[in-house]
Amino acid sequence: GAGVSQSPRYKVTKRGQDVALRCDPISGHVSLYWYRQALGQGPEFLTYFNYEAQQDKSGLPNDRFSAERPEGSISTLTIQRTEQRDSAMYRCASSAGGGGQPQHFGDGTRLSIL
Amino acid sequence: SQKIEQNSEALNIQEGKTATLTCNYTNYSPAYLQWYRQDPGRGPVFLLLIRENEKEKRKERLKVTFDTTLKQSLFHITASQPADSATYLCALDAGGYQKVTFGTGTKLQVIP
Repeated sequence: GAGVSQSPRYKVTKRGQDVALRCDPISGHVSLYWYRQALGQGPEFLTYFNYEAQQDKSGLPNDRFSAERPEGSISTLTIQRTEQRDSAMYRCASSAGGGGQPQHFGDGTRLSIL
Repeated sequence: SQKIEQNSEALNIQEGKTATLTCNYTNYSPAYLQWYRQDPGRGPVFLLLIRENEKEKRKERLKVTFDTTLKQSLFHITASQPADSATYLCALDAGGYQKVTFGTGTKLQVIP
């Protein structure tokens, strides 16, 4: 596709369930980023990949959060044993990689934990 | 710790005036500074990038300045229009294959 695609757009689940959020970046983009964004705030860094390698996961809140990009393209952000405080907009972005490259964002996944 | 500050209060200006948004940072040495626009319910959209050795960059009605001594970037929209109303985010890019860090954004409202 022409842009970054995220699925699902909306996810509602009960506390304690696991969820998997998917990101399909722009074809050929080396770098892929995951962010979490609260209303009225900027994107909060979670983790990022160059190709299939996870370069930095310092923003993941705790060990319930994990991400993978096994073939250097599609990425999955997984949250285990979800809690209400995990409710947020999760955004993915991709870039050509290296410094000074613009990030292209998807429209995000709105996660609601009941 | 690294900190990026943007005006947390909304900026309201009259149509036709120049809007100026500020991005200040501490404990950071970005190689690049990027500006994005975000509309409600949508992801941020890239606008402009300026390098650490550049003082100013222009694109149509947009102008960005970058002062690495003051650790500040200013983002200007000249001849503002109601369609410019959005949240504007600055982002610091350390260069290489390092992460990009976003500010909290400033909401701009252009009043007809």
